[in-house]
This record gives sequence, C-alpha cells and structure tokens, in this order.
Amino acid sequence: LAKTTQPISMDSYEGQEVNITCSHNNIATNDYITWYQQFPSQGPRFIIQGYKTKVTNEVASLFIPADRKSSTLSLPRVSLSDTAVYYCLVGPKAAGNKLTFGGGTRVLVKP
Amino acid sequence: NAGVTQTPKFQVLKTGQSMTLQCAQDMNHNSMYWYRQDPGMGLRLIYYSASEGTTDKGEVPNGYNVSRLNKREFSLRLESAAPSQTSVYFCASGPGQGAQNIQYFGAGTRLSVL
Repeated sequence: LAKTTQPISMDSYEGQEVNITCSHNNIATNDYITWYQQFPSQGPRFIIQGYKTKVTNEVASLFIPADRKSSTLSLPRVSLSDTAVYYCLVGPKAAGNKLTFGGGTRVLVKP
Repeated sequence: NAGVTQTPKFQVLKTGQSMTLQCAQDMNHNSMYWYRQDPGMGLRLIYYSASEGTTDKGEVPNGYNVSRLNKREFSLRLESAAPSQTSVYFCASGPGQGAQNIQYFGAGTRLSVL
C-alpha cells in the first residue's frame, strides 16, 4: 500500500481554515484517499474519501491534484471541537484489512 | 442507531488472566475488525472477519483469538494476558464489497494488564 507522509502537528485558531497536506508519491491507479478523524478517547471516524479532483461534504473538503501524489484535507472555520488527530490513508477500496493508520496529524484549535 | 458497541469500556487484568472483549454492530455490515492503539500511536490490525464465518490474522495477531459469532458480533479473546497487551482496543465494521476502507469504529476498550 502507498506510504503516506503528513505533518505531525498543526495549531490553529477558532474560525480559521485548516489545511492538512498528505504526501503519497507511490499511489497506485486503483488507490483511493481516505481521511479519518479521531477525538481524544474515541475511535476514529470516517470523514471523507476521494479519487481525484475535489470532494466536499458537510464536514470537510478534499483536494487532489491531477498527479494524485498528494492530497489536502480542508476544514473550514474550525472550532475548539475540531481538535483531534487526522489520519490520511491511501489504498484500494477493497483493502479493509490493510488500512494503515500512521501517526496522523494532531490538530490543536486554540480560542 | 447504536452503530458499533464495545464492552467493557475499561478492564484491569493481572498477568495470566483471560478475558473476552465483546463487539456488536447493528448496521448489517459484512466485515468486522479488531485494532489496538498504543499511546501516541496509530492503530494496528489484530484480526478481521471479511464475512460471517471467516476470520483472518492482521498485523499483530499473537496472543489473541477471535470469534465471529454471527453477522452482528465479533469477539476478541486474550487467553493469557501480558503487560505488553496493555492498550486501547477498537472494534470496527464496514460494508465490505468494494468499500472496505470505510470503517465505523466503536468507542474502545481500555485494557491494563498488571
């Protein structure tokens, strides 16, 4: 499965937009990009998934350039409750047994 | 809608004791998974069940056994607990069938082995 690299931590303030970039240089043709969010003392929660271009839902947007070697998760107007660890995962859809949760990006939203 | 329910939420064991962690999902999902998460780390897959009646080893299966009791329930058993098994255990389920990288997680079981 494609190896991913994302920043260890990021700080932001309430009301700002947070962008987390994930690098996945060896992404395969059938790989999808999936992001999870994990609050302290909770299990991870699926946020968004995409293959190319842009995907948006009620929680976040996912931007994927044409070469697909990186992706950016965008959280609009964050609040204190968005403080969490965000994981970028890359792999085929039919790879439930191979999800690799690395260290993730720890986002701290300050008042 | 409860989603994925894990019991117990907390457990303290002595070295050598055994216990079973229970997991149930009410989303009619085919696939179920057990992960462990050590402090400050990502999740590692212990065992998974792609469908009712099947189970397979994940990345770190040693010291664990699983049972897919039916479509709803997937249990994880520690036969002889060791301090190295102190961790937070998460159960997850997913629809499978081409969407296996979208999984729904329970709240976790925090296990300490003394």
